[in-house]
Amino acid sequence: DGGITQSPKYLFRKEGQNVTLSCEQNLNHDAMYWYRQDPGQGLRLIYYSQIVNDFQKGDIAEGYSVSREKKESFPLTVTSAQKNPTAFYLCASSIGPLENNEQFFGPGTRLTVL
Amino acid sequence: AQSVAQPEDQVNVAEGNPLTVKCTYSVSGNPYLFWYVQYPNRGLQFLLKYITGDNLVKGSYGFEAEFNKSQTSFHLKKPSALVSDSALYFCAVRDDNTNAGKSTFGDGTTLTVKP
Repeated sequence: DGGITQSPKYLFRKEGQNVTLSCEQNLNHDAMYWYRQDPGQGLRLIYYSQIVNDFQKGDIAEGYSVSREKKESFPLTVTSAQKNPTAFYLCASSIGPLENNEQFFGPGTRLTVL
Repeated sequence: AQSVAQPEDQVNVAEGNPLTVKCTYSVSGNPYLFWYVQYPNRGLQFLLKYITGDNLVKGSYGFEAEFNKSQTSFHLKKPSALVSDSALYFCAVRDDNTNAGKSTFGDGTTLTVKP
């Protein structure tokens, strides 16, 4: 899992609550990403950031928000507007946003809505 | 637009036999192709990538992949499978003709290697 940490490992949320998933990297990478993984659907991109103080929506950004105030941190907030948030969330980083850079992934956070 | 397909949900092989996990892609420009492996309840680990040059790419743990432009494929291979290779494998593509930073992942192929 390299130098990327995600916390918590497991998270339980009641309906109507916002929760924030932490992602920290010590790899000095410029680019960071958030993915959602559901069984049989692979990874879907939620948000990505190519540089500090900048981020872009991915394919399924509705109901999620992010910030990138520091190079090493890219927290994801799952808001009450996300209708089906139960999933495995993966954070990743890469040296830069160039197309040929591989991504390094954290260990993931499993979010369950009660 | 970019897309990637992994046509097999599951691949089963016997230990010691060769394995192939298939991946095909579609891009408008030139592809950058990646293979990742995921063990249960873990993040993905990078195995190998094709950027340019030699069509046969060698990666971690004895895996290799062959880029075939005419067939738009990038199949993952290993000459002799190990039980410890059992995991979920993802192919990913980036198009050099689209917005940098967005990779598209396949739905994954579960590889099971039986003793």
